[in-house]
Amino acid sequence: GDSVTQMEGPVTLSEEAFLTINCTYTATGYPSLFWYVQYPGEGLQLLLKATKADDKGSNKGFEATYRKETTSFHLEKGSVQVSDSAVYFCALSDPARGTSYGKLTFGQGTILTVHP
Amino acid sequence: EAQVTQNPRYLITVTGKKLTVTCSQNMNHEYMSWYRQDPGLGLRQIYYSMNVEVTDKGDVPEGYKVSRKEKRNFPLILESPSPNQTSLYFCASSLQVGPTYEQYFGPGTRLTVT
Repeated sequence: GDSVTQMEGPVTLSEEAFLTINCTYTATGYPSLFWYVQYPGEGLQLLLKATKADDKGSNKGFEATYRKETTSFHLEKGSVQVSDSAVYFCALSDPARGTSYGKLTFGQGTILTVHP
Repeated sequence: EAQVTQNPRYLITVTGKKLTVTCSQNMNHEYMSWYRQDPGLGLRQIYYSMNVEVTDKGDVPEGYKVSRKEKRNFPLILESPSPNQTSLYFCASSLQVGPTYEQYFGPGTRLTVT
């Protein structure tokens, strides 16, 4: 079945540091890939997405590139801020699963804490 | 404001006492889902609904029921809650955007079953 594996957390960084959160996946078909962010006490928000190989999703200074050859979708940000402290989830939606209407398969989440 | 709302946000109950968590969306989305979030496991889909009166099981449906009598509402029912259903629950509605679907999540309901 489909699965998503994220790097173990938690990740602790100083403000303005470079961030990478690794994400790899396995899927039956040709999935769409997503990063969601969950701020404390809130629901998940879509951060960025990519729907085909070599697409780069970007938002709020975060980027991720859909790498089909390595089945990866790593999240990066050049300079993190305290306000980026949150839980980050990598997820996929696999059209080979038929009429799943966008069902998401999630990684386990990575807690990011940014200190001033 | 476009949103998904859930109630209650926090609930502590005892084993076997039936409960319902409500979910409502104001975006006229056809597709709605319930997920549970557990540490180290991410989110897992419980049930989903393609439209009014059309529902199907997700990955972890045991112990849960749903109904979809109106397009905007998708309640989650625990007929006889057990401690292993202690979790954080999210409702989501989804909209097709090009080749994929984007999901909009509610704020979550933290359930504790003692």
